[in-house]
Amino acid sequence: ETGVTQSPTHLIKTRGQQVTLRCSSQSGHNTVSWYQQALGQGPQFIFQYYREEENGRGNFPPRFSGLQFPNYSSELNVNALELDDSALYLCASSLAAGTNTEAFFGQGTRLTVV
Amino acid sequence: DQQVKQNSPSLSVQEGRISILNCDYTNSMFDYFLWYKKYPAEGPTFLISISSIKDKNEDGRFTVFLNKSAKHLSLHIVPSQPGDSAVYFCAASAHNNNDMRFGAGTRLTVKP
Repeated sequence: ETGVTQSPTHLIKTRGQQVTLRCSSQSGHNTVSWYQQALGQGPQFIFQYYREEENGRGNFPPRFSGLQFPNYSSELNVNALELDDSALYLCASSLAAGTNTEAFFGQGTRLTVV
Repeated sequence: DQQVKQNSPSLSVQEGRISILNCDYTNSMFDYFLWYKKYPAEGPTFLISISSIKDKNEDGRFTVFLNKSAKHLSLHIVPSQPGDSAVYFCAASAHNNNDMRFGAGTRLTVKP
């Protein structure tokens, strides 16, 4: 059973550029959530995908978008990058949306916007 | 709006003693609570959870206590070990809701 994997692990982008982050969910999990963790803070919910549909969204602007694929892997896309987007981006997969179950996190992608 | 708060950014404990990490929440709709542990350069790892129908859940050295009337939960680690040194996040969710709300974390240092 493979865990949650994210790529790339580190990334440096210039303000105004676009970025795509990728996540492979744990085997058997159909729900993927994305979180942004700024330095010194806890993870903040961006959105969740369940069976390829967005299933909830946090307080993030529309330039943060996502996709989930038939194999339940997922992408996070951020357009028009801003300096404040610099953070650790975490992907978490879980067994089913809308139930009380723990989520399993990947190691994260450290994004730096310069 | 910070619905989950961990007011102690750090805690230092001697090996073998008890570590107590605290967490407060404001949203009365939360009914499921989790603790995650995070080492540097790794994602958070699930540690233990508790449903609002319980007031205690134990797993080995780790016990979580929930006080719903006070909207407070705590994680007890006993005995503490140096390998427990990490950042601990408290998280909460409401049934059939999609997002977990996290606290800012408490950095636990267990000294040998």
